[in-house]
Amino acid sequence: SQTIHQWPATLVQPVGSPLSLECTVEGTSNPNLYWYRQAAGRGLQLLFYSVGIGQISSEVPQNLSASRPQDRQFILSSKKLLLSDSGFYLCAWSGRIFMNSPLHFGNGTRLTVT
Amino acid sequence: GESVGLHLPTLSVQEGDNSIINCAYSNSASDYFIWYKQESGKGPQFIIDIRSNMDKRQGQRVTVLLNKTVKHLSLQIAATQPGDSAVYFCAENLGSNSGYALNFGKGTSLLVTP
Repeated sequence: SQTIHQWPATLVQPVGSPLSLECTVEGTSNPNLYWYRQAAGRGLQLLFYSVGIGQISSEVPQNLSASRPQDRQFILSSKKLLLSDSGFYLCAWSGRIFMNSPLHFGNGTRLTVT
Repeated sequence: GESVGLHLPTLSVQEGDNSIINCAYSNSASDYFIWYKQESGKGPQFIIDIRSNMDKRQGQRVTVLLNKTVKHLSLQIAATQPGDSAVYFCAENLGSNSGYALNFGKGTSLLVTP
């Protein structure tokens, strides 16, 4: 069966520090991969998606970047964190064969920028 | 985007009653919809989905209704249990131009009281 792993589960970082969040998927090949951010008590905002290795699309301009160095690895980064980067970051995958298919989410990383 | 929205931010029901959570969408071209359940501190969990060529789909204790005429989606939970307490999101597929990512509404918090 397919599984998705995100780490770390929680992170506290000072303003101006770098960020690297990692997401890996097991049990599937060629997934579509996604990064979402969720503010407290709010819905999910799409940040990036990737349909293949090295292919990254950004949905909103911001202080973050994403990379996909391997088929099942998706990384969210920042060179200098802002207070507004605090939030709950969720990685998700979907099967590419069935284009209209559910996204499957990891359990997220709670980022607090101080 | 905010083309998917929810009518009620919170819903309180008694254990054993049926729950109905509503959702409106604005993109008449949307052809795939999903309901997710999110418990505190976890990623959204897939509940049920429906394609635009259907108007009703049933799962275990859950039913999704789609009314394309008024662009309305609802989730019905039968015999609501305390374990159903969570935030529920509806989402619409953004299509191939966005890597088949999902656009989420703000969510409805369901509280089941004994």
